[in-house]
Amino acid sequence: QQQVKQSPQSLIVQKGGISIINCAYENTAFDYFPWYQQFPGKGPALLIAIRPDVSEKKEGRFTISFNKSAKQFSLHIMDSQPGDSATYFCAASNRDDKIIFGKGTRLHILP
Amino acid sequence: SAVISQKPSRDICQRGTSLTIQCQVDSQVTMMFWYRQQPGQSLTLIATANQGSEATYESGFVIDKFPISRPNLTFSTLTVSNMSPEDSSIYLCSVLEGAWILETQYFGPGTRLLVL
Repeated sequence: QQQVKQSPQSLIVQKGGISIINCAYENTAFDYFPWYQQFPGKGPALLIAIRPDVSEKKEGRFTISFNKSAKQFSLHIMDSQPGDSATYFCAASNRDDKIIFGKGTRLHILP
Repeated sequence: SAVISQKPSRDICQRGTSLTIQCQVDSQVTMMFWYRQQPGQSLTLIATANQGSEATYESGFVIDKFPISRPNLTFSTLTVSNMSPEDSSIYLCSVLEGAWILETQYFGPGTRLLVL
C-alpha cells in the first residue's frame, strides 16, 4: 500500500513532442505528489508538485494531471527538448510519514 | 529553497575502511535525511537525522554500519563503516523545508562512492 508505481521505465520522444510519465498509488492518505528531475551526476531537483485539491498544475512546459478517484497522476512535458533528457521520479507522501519514490523513468529526447 | 552542499563530492575507498560524508544547509531546517541511490535505481531512505538524538533508521539499515550525527539544525554527517564493494553508491542528503502544506523536500548534489 506504500508503493508508488511509475511507468514507463524508459521513454524516447522526438524533439517537440509530448513526453508523458504515469504514476499510480494505493495509499489514500497521500496528500502531496512531487516530481523530481535528475541529471547524470546530480542530485534530484524538485520539478513540480501537486496536492489533491486540484486536478492539474502547470508550470511552463511541465504539467501534472491528477486523478484522485483513479489514484493516478502524470507528468506531461510539452514541446520536449533535448535538455529535458533526464531521469524523472514521481513521489507521494503525507505529513505524518516519509516520502515514497517511484522507480524512475529515463527520458531521452531525440534532437 | 534551501541550498545543500555535500563533501566529498566523490571518493574511491578501499574495502574495510570508513568514509564520513558531510551535509551543510544554508538555513535551519527541521528534518534532514540520508538516502542511497544505487546506479540506475530509485532512492532508498537510510535514516532520518534527528538533532540532538539518535537517528531513526529504516528497515535494513543499522547504526553500526551507518552512524549519523546531527549536532545542529544546519549540519549532519553520515559515516559508511567497514565498507565493501556493495556500498558503492550515491549517498544523498535531503532536507524538508517549510511547514504544513508548504513542506518541500530538497536534495543535495550527492556523494559518489566507489569501494574497491
